[in-house]
Amino acid sequence: EPEVTQTPSHQVTQMGQEVILRCVPISNHLYFYWYRQILGQKVEFLVSFYNNEISEKSEIFDDQFSVERPDGSNFTLKIRSTKLEDSAMYFCASSGTSGGQNEQFFGPGTRLTVL
Amino acid sequence: KNQVEQSPQSLIILEGKNCTLQCNYTVSPFSNLRWYKQDTGRGPVSLTIMTFSENTKSNGRYTATLDADTKQSSLHITASQLSDSASYICVVSAGAGNNRKLIWGLGTSLAVNP
Repeated sequence: EPEVTQTPSHQVTQMGQEVILRCVPISNHLYFYWYRQILGQKVEFLVSFYNNEISEKSEIFDDQFSVERPDGSNFTLKIRSTKLEDSAMYFCASSGTSGGQNEQFFGPGTRLTVL
Repeated sequence: KNQVEQSPQSLIILEGKNCTLQCNYTVSPFSNLRWYKQDTGRGPVSLTIMTFSENTKSNGRYTATLDADTKQSSLHITASQLSDSASYICVVSAGAGNNRKLIWGLGTSLAVNP
């Protein structure tokens, strides 16, 4: 069964460093998403991406964040200068459609720890 | 303000027992309501998706109900198993067309004990 994959599973970094989180969405999907979940808190939407551009972003997704689809398979989230409060689980998701029931399939997540 | 509230916050039951988790929402315009299961340290996995016109939907031992008038949903788990231990998250999709967003609840943490 096709699934969304994410690497690395755990990333530890120093405050101020840049990190890139990688995702491989399901191959025939067209819509891609990043979410984050701070420990003990709700899942929060960061950004959605379609047709090689951002379709929507939340207020969390400030200038420190960027997304890219560098080739036909990978979808990346870059944090330019990490802060302690960026420590969270980051989930990538993909869906085949935006309309209708828009079922999103989630990856296993990357746990980011900023020291 | 769009929001999703779930109860109870946590629940402990014995293996084989049934349980019901609750979700109340104030979301407009409503598109659909989803229940996800999230194992510790893993991504959410969809259990059910219900539109406005559906008032019950089953997926194996999971049965979700939706009352669009009272803006309430429940997830009933029958004959619980140890593997049902997880967080169950109610998520409501708001908006229309390509302008939809998911409003997430905090989840109910379920522990099934032998």
